Amino acid sequence: DGGITQSPKYLFRKEGQNVTLSCEQNLNHDAMYWYRQDPGQGLRLIYYSQIVNDFQKGDIAEGYSVSREKKESFPLTVTSAQKNPTAFYLCATRDRTNTGELFFGEGSRLTVL
Amino acid sequence: GIQVEQSPPDLILQEGANSTLRCNFSDSVNNLQWFHQNPWGQLINLFYIPSGTKQNGRLSATTVATERYSLLYISSSQTTDSGVYFCAVDTYSGAGSYQLTFGKGTKLSVIP
Repeated sequence: DGGITQSPKYLFRKEGQNVTLSCEQNLNHDAMYWYRQDPGQGLRLIYYSQIVNDFQKGDIAEGYSVSREKKESFPLTVTSAQKNPTAFYLCATRDRTNTGELFFGEGSRLTVL
Repeated sequence: GIQVEQSPPDLILQEGANSTLRCNFSDSVNNLQWFHQNPWGQLINLFYIPSGTKQNGRLSATTVATERYSLLYISSSQTTDSGVYFCAVDTYSGAGSYQLTFGKGTKLSVIP
């Protein structure tokens, strides 16, 4: 089954705990992205990666960290430094970094209690 | 950075009605995409349309890049069309890379 798999779909954590969200793709796409969406809002870019072992900060990177050790995987860690981590997190990929069509996973909904 | 404005922010339609959603952008763009976010949060690609007109069933889109806008047409709307429609534009962000900037979306509710 081809596509982008995000896990877990729902996650509850206590304040102060780090959380890692998984994003795996088998589309052989080079570029991967993490977006955050708050209720009633658009999407904001957290981090993106164009190739393995390289990634760049987006507009709201503070309190988040990523890694890109494999082409297929781009996990996002929400650290305790993120002041308001409760949100819907979306992973996306595309096959070229400049003009390729963007595809999204189903998202992970994080609630910090 | 580039500004992407979508209108209207909210739209309520009777099933069977037609509608037009608009996306304005403040600078030149390399391409533009339209997405539909369903009530479960999944973002579905509708159109990849840097310029010109495309059609897919009851949906069609037109982008006039020189005038910096794109339109999404929904004809004979159905309740399954409900959700939020986003447009996103690609702009050059330096060092050979491009970034998508999203509008805030149009929330569409189709009532039976």
